[in-house]
Amino acid sequence: SQQGEEDPQALSIQEGENATMNCSYKTSINNLQWYRQNSGRGLVHLILIRSNEREKHSGRLRVTLDTSKKSSSLLITASRAADTASYFCATDAKTSYDKVIFGPGTSLSVIP
Amino acid sequence: DAGVTQSPTHLIKTRGQQVTLRCSPKSGHDTVSWYQQALGQGPQFIFQYYEEEERQRGNFPDRFSGHQFPNYSSELNVNALLLGDSALYLCASSLDRAFRVGGYTFGSGTRLTVV
Repeated sequence: SQQGEEDPQALSIQEGENATMNCSYKTSINNLQWYRQNSGRGLVHLILIRSNEREKHSGRLRVTLDTSKKSSSLLITASRAADTASYFCATDAKTSYDKVIFGPGTSLSVIP
Repeated sequence: DAGVTQSPTHLIKTRGQQVTLRCSPKSGHDTVSWYQQALGQGPQFIFQYYEEEERQRGNFPDRFSGHQFPNYSSELNVNALLLGDSALYLCASSLDRAFRVGGYTFGSGTRLTVV
């Protein structure tokens, strides 16, 4: 079964607005990563947050991690049309050594 | 600095045939993981290779096999192709377990269509 599940499945916002995506997972993790995928091509690593971290920033990205709720959120501030893509969370579970498991993803559309 | 290179880009095969997909990891990386991504879904872990050995495997049948060469490049082989094997196959590389620090570098994938 999937380790991570993103919510919502699809999100449509206006350019300039903030976009928030959530990820829930099932087992204890070493870290959680977020990736972006444009038009079914390769994935691009965005940010990694370790299990002992609660928040991390990278440019317009802000990631939070709540290990007690087994959930994470990705916030993209001041969205641009170029942010239109699918976003996936990926977990490196302590019980699945060397496996990085991806969720089904959130499809984000940013309307100019 | 070359990223992850996958070949071919697109491939059409007939049901029952065999296919080999190739991956060259990013320069300096020695670990290769393979993923299958069906349309509209997240990538599914197939297996990971390190030091020419399969280090970890996902829930895929034995029809899926792989190999890693001394130069760290890797192949994914799929035998007795089924229509359901149609997907984007992604190769991801890292320096050993450094994916736990900096994540994976992905190739652009091979789009396999089984007819």
